[in-house]
Amino acid sequence: VQLVQSGPEVMKPGSSVRVSCQASGDTFSSHSISWVRQAPGQGPEWMGGILPMFGSPRYAVRFLDRVTITADESTSTIYMELRSLKSEDTAIYYCARALGDFWRGYYFQYWGQGTPVTVAS
Amino acid sequence: QTVVTQEPSLSVSLGGTVTLTCGLRSASVSTSNYASWYQQTPGQAPRTLIYSTNIRSSGVPDRFSGSIVGNKAAFTITGAQADDDSDYFCLLYMGSGTVVFGGGTKLTVL
Repeated sequence: VQLVQSGPEVMKPGSSVRVSCQASGDTFSSHSISWVRQAPGQGPEWMGGILPMFGSPRYAVRFLDRVTITADESTSTIYMELRSLKSEDTAIYYCARALGDFWRGYYFQYWGQGTPVTVAS
Repeated sequence: QTVVTQEPSLSVSLGGTVTLTCGLRSASVSTSNYASWYQQTPGQAPRTLIYSTNIRSSGVPDRFSGSIVGNKAAFTITGAQADDDSDYFCLLYMGSGTVVFGGGTKLTVL
């Protein structure tokens, strides 16, 4: 399984960023993929995830109004859009593919290479 | 908002045993939380060590183990080695497709 993410981004405060994650090597639709971010010196933070065969994403409460996760099954790609960017959103954004059951318990086995997003004026 | 607690830092002597814990501020952790544990070195993505409370991921040495101790998930290193000096994070499944990471434990091997 390989997860290949889009490249680094430098964004202005208040703008939106879209990061992509293309999966290969396994059945795309039947495994969930999440977005996890890690700010400098901080631990990982789960933002949300999607099970492509189900369609509806799940989000962490603190990102409910700012993030949208979508899946394009035709290209095996997951997208994460984060809106109203602030300097505190500066972080490395990882996609991570889960093993387990999306509805009963899962963990992350495969990770993308990470996409640095810098928010600065 | 769900808060998952971990010891911010711990130390262990070379060859010694250490247990890290992963708790919930307002509930007990059970096997239903499907606890998983990750090791992370600077600049790298996390590496999966344990999943489903106590199952070692492929290729993970058996000096690493997971369990439930009291009302928390626990991660134990038996016979610590120098390259175990790292950051460790737990992840808990909270239902309805959602998960939460703990704040992490910085482990120092002395």
